[in-house]
Amino acid sequence: SQKIEQNSEALNIQEGKTATLTCNYTNYSPAYLQWYRQDPGRGPVFLLLIRENEKEKRKERLKVTFDTTLKQSLFHITASQPADSATYLCALGKGGGNKLTFGTGTQLKVEL
Amino acid sequence: DVKVTQSSRYLVKRTGEKVFLECVQDMDHENMFWYRQDPGLGLRLIYFSYDVKMKEKGDIPEGYSVSREKKERFSLILESASTNQTSMYLCALGRGGGNQPQHFGDGTRLSIL
Repeated sequence: SQKIEQNSEALNIQEGKTATLTCNYTNYSPAYLQWYRQDPGRGPVFLLLIRENEKEKRKERLKVTFDTTLKQSLFHITASQPADSATYLCALGKGGGNKLTFGTGTQLKVEL
Repeated sequence: DVKVTQSSRYLVKRTGEKVFLECVQDMDHENMFWYRQDPGLGLRLIYFSYDVKMKEKGDIPEGYSVSREKKERFSLILESASTNQTSMYLCALGRGGGNQPQHFGDGTRLSIL
């Protein structure tokens, strides 16, 4: 069956460092991958989308890589700030429809 | 900005009740989704709809039904609520076609007693 794995343990880093979150998947051939941010008590908010034929995507301090051979995506936040503290979800989708399969998310805590 | 409005932030119901959760959008998006989110299990898709009066089962449809009579409104129905349906319910919407982001409401925290 399809499986999407994100680190279940919280990631604690110091302000100013680069945070790297991992999303691994098995038994799935996604056409694209998306990353979302979720704050407590709120719905997820879309951050970035990367397609299967793209290796890397950037948006301001965010960078996403997508390796379909390793079946892995890495999500980087450079120069992290306490305001970046949240849970980050990866989601995989196939072409044609808009149905997504979500990972369970990784909680990021950026400390002063 | 995309606005997704869920009818209630918190809801308490009793076992066996029929429960309606409403989701309304103001963006004319074709696709609408209902998820539930539980600790350790993440977001799981219950039902989705690509058009008016159209619905498709997601990964966990048992015990639920949906209704989409108008494009802007997608309702989730718990036919006979049970305690294992206590959860956070999230509505999302997106444009038609693939490779589209989803826009979420802030959820309804439903407790079944």
